[in-house]
Amino acid sequence: DAGITQSPRHKVTETGTPVTLRCHQTENHRYMYWYRQDPGHGLRLIHYSYGVKDTDKGEVSDGYSVSRSKTEDFLLTLESATSSQTSVYFCAISEVPGSYNEQFFGPGTRLTVL
Amino acid sequence: QKEVEQDPGPLSVPEGAIVSLNCTYSNSAFQYFMWYRQYSRKGPELLMYTYSSGNKEDGRFTAQVDKSSKYISLFIRDSQPSDSATYLCAFVTGFQKLVFGTGTRLLVSP
Repeated sequence: DAGITQSPRHKVTETGTPVTLRCHQTENHRYMYWYRQDPGHGLRLIHYSYGVKDTDKGEVSDGYSVSRSKTEDFLLTLESATSSQTSVYFCAISEVPGSYNEQFFGPGTRLTVL
Repeated sequence: QKEVEQDPGPLSVPEGAIVSLNCTYSNSAFQYFMWYRQYSRKGPELLMYTYSSGNKEDGRFTAQVDKSSKYISLFIRDSQPSDSATYLCAFVTGFQKLVFGTGTRLLVSP
């Protein structure tokens, strides 16, 4: 998985609790992304980062925040988890998002919000 | 109308069959056309990409793009059980982000 780890790999939590997912890369790639994958919707971009402390919203950013204090780490936070945020979350990295923007994906985090 | 339409399947074929996977899209601004493969409980990985209309071949895989019809295809020749996976089409937008199809699940039986 191109030197990308995600933690935790599985998490079950309750509605209203805060949750933080971590993505760690060893590739020194500049760009990092958080997606969620749901049946019938495919992969949808939540937030992305184009450098340390530089982030922007994707198409489904409501209820999520991100932070990137180091090149290698990109955190996704659900401030108050809801059942609609039950999903599989993937982190991805890319070196330079020019041309075909090949993105390398992590193994995913399966989150269940009860 | 969704920007990208992809039949979710599953598509079941016997080993050795030719497989055709397709996506239609509506956004004329899409620049690059890609296919990702995703095995069960794994992250997607890039399989092929192409820029222009026409065909691009890589081993048993052929990617085809028809920009005038806004239609892309992935053909797999001599399909193998190891090809069983979900195939996602993806498109690069003008903002250098990817838009994905929902994925087609392919099952190749021995």
